[in-house]
Amino acid sequence: LAKTTQPISMDSYEGQEVNITCSHNNIATNDYITWYQQFPSQGPRFIIQGYKTKVTNEVASLFIPADRKSSTLSLPRVSLSDTAVYYCLVGRSSSNTGKLIFGQGTTLQVKP
Amino acid sequence: NAGVMQNPRHLVRRRGQEARLRCSPVKGHSHVYWYRQLPEEGLKFMVYLQKENIIDESGMPKERFSAEFPKEGPSILRIQQVVRGDSAAYFCASSPRSGDYGYTFGSGTRLTVV
Repeated sequence: LAKTTQPISMDSYEGQEVNITCSHNNIATNDYITWYQQFPSQGPRFIIQGYKTKVTNEVASLFIPADRKSSTLSLPRVSLSDTAVYYCLVGRSSSNTGKLIFGQGTTLQVKP
Repeated sequence: NAGVMQNPRHLVRRRGQEARLRCSPVKGHSHVYWYRQLPEEGLKFMVYLQKENIIDESGMPKERFSAEFPKEGPSILRIQQVVRGDSAAYFCASSPRSGDYGYTFGSGTRLTVV
């Protein structure tokens, strides 16, 4: 699985848009980019997955440039409840290895 | 439409005792994964199972740890002769297909060894 690099921590204020960028220079042709969110004392929660360009759902948007060496998770108008750790993962959706490799993640602190 | 159910939520064991952690996957999911999260650390993969088969146990400690996912019933992560270093949050996840990264995680079992 491709190694990912993301900021250790970020601060934001309620109502702002937050963009968390993840670098994955060694992404392979068949790799997908997946983001998870983890609140304290809970298991990770799948947020969004994409392969190229832009993906949007009710929670977030994922922007992937043409070279796919990075991706940006965009959280619109964050609230205090968005305070969590956000993990970027890269791997082949068709892989049969099954395991997700989590990095350090980005701890997002939303302030009032 | 229940998600992944893990129990117990909290488990306290004395050193040397056995710990059994149970995980019921999302209905219809036949792939189960166990992860461990030590205090102030990230999630570490332990083992990947399909019904009655261990697919990848590369993250399991060589001794005292075992996992199963029987044809009927929940997946079990068993830790024999627990030590203080086993204190951690243990998360189970399930997916409908191998390599599907849209895993559903449970709320975890917090094991405390005293």
